[in-house]
Amino acid sequence: GAVVSQHPSWVICKSGTSVKIECRSLDFQATTMFWYRQFPKQSLMLMATSNEGSKATYEQGVEKDKFLINHASLTLSTLTVTSAHPEDSSFYICSASIPAGGSYEQYFGPGTRLTVT
Amino acid sequence: AQSVTQLGSHVSVSEGALVLLRCNYSSSVPPYLFWYVQYPNQGLQLLLKYTTGATLVKGINGFEAEFKKSETSFHLTKPSAHMSDAAEYFCAVSVDGGATNKLIFGTGTLLAVQP
Repeated sequence: GAVVSQHPSWVICKSGTSVKIECRSLDFQATTMFWYRQFPKQSLMLMATSNEGSKATYEQGVEKDKFLINHASLTLSTLTVTSAHPEDSSFYICSASIPAGGSYEQYFGPGTRLTVT
Repeated sequence: AQSVTQLGSHVSVSEGALVLLRCNYSSSVPPYLFWYVQYPNQGLQLLLKYTTGATLVKGINGFEAEFKKSETSFHLTKPSAHMSDAAEYFCAVSVDGGATNKLIFGTGTLLAVQP
């Protein structure tokens, strides 16, 4: 089956520093990947849609300059949280869209827990 | 705009009992509907999906869901709960089945299974 990995699985950083999170599709190519944010005991909120070779499409209210997304290859998308602050602490999850049964399905990575101190 | 409402943020059942997790959606176009399960500190795993055709959809781990257009519902059921079913369950809707289809998630239902 389709496997999506994320690295790191957890990271602690100091306020003001930047953190990069990688999302990889291990056994398939993904033209489209998605980045979500999940607060404790809450649902997933879509942050942006990442398309290989083009600029990401951000959801309303998501700061493009703070959450930099790069999708340079068909198997890798990265999310960089720039100048992180404690309020950026969250669980970040990526997914990759692949064809399945006449439509597309999203396969999710295991998530990255970011803690900003 | 699409939206999903999951009634009951917490549901507790006894092992062997029926599991019923409720999901109602709002969509201006025929929806694509999904149920995902999330175990602690993990990503989401697809349980089942409805696109078109048969309204009763069977998924993994013995779960199934029925699409009822008249009730705008897509409730998830399992005849007999197992301890391993304890997890968070999310219902989601999208407007199409394309590669860039955005998923709109409900707020989730935490299922507890009592021995």
